[in-house]
Amino acid sequence: GQQLNQSPQSMFIQEGEDVSMNCTSSSIFNTWLWYKQDPGEGPVLLIALYKAGELTSNGRLTAQFGITRKDSFLNISASIPSDVGIYFCAGQTPWGGSQGNLIFGKGTKLSVKP
Amino acid sequence: DSGVTQTPKHLITATGQRVTLRCSPRSGDLSVYWYQQSLDQGLQFLIQYYNGEERAKGNILERFSAQQFPDLHSELNLSSLELGDSALYFCASSATIGNYGYTFGSGTRLTVV
Repeated sequence: GQQLNQSPQSMFIQEGEDVSMNCTSSSIFNTWLWYKQDPGEGPVLLIALYKAGELTSNGRLTAQFGITRKDSFLNISASIPSDVGIYFCAGQTPWGGSQGNLIFGKGTKLSVKP
Repeated sequence: DSGVTQTPKHLITATGQRVTLRCSPRSGDLSVYWYQQSLDQGLQFLIQYYNGEERAKGNILERFSAQQFPDLHSELNLSSLELGDSALYFCASSATIGNYGYTFGSGTRLTVV
């Protein structure tokens, strides 16, 4: 089936640093979403992208839907301690129909630099 | 609180047993999705219901089944449990089909021993 390759798998941040992560696929996606999951909780939607080339911000978060429709990135500017967690990209291919089921990347784990 | 309620939060059971996980969607949401999250596989879509009807199936094993009731709550039944079924099971809901900004519950952590 379709797969999303999310990178990096993990990264350490220092407060104030900018962070960047991305997702790529060999398949075209109609929709890209970015979620954050805190320990013991379900994923929470951060940003949704619906058109190729779309650039959307949510506070310090910015995400883009790649022109080729096969990739997306998420940037976090001026990171703060509460940014730690696992970030997932998710997408739906045109062949998924309108049923709404999403394919998720394996996540990028953000931790604080020791 | 996301508005999606899942019970129980934790479940420990033996191999070969059967369990039922319950989900109450957010008020007004008609669509319910079930996902399995394990360490090596990430979040895997299992099944979707919309207003009581099954609408899409993902990587759901034959030993697993689900339903959505008239009051819109949903149950995921897992039977003949194996060690490899240990995972977090999430329910999510959305207002309509194709509304991808859906809301996840806090999950049920299933441990099979």
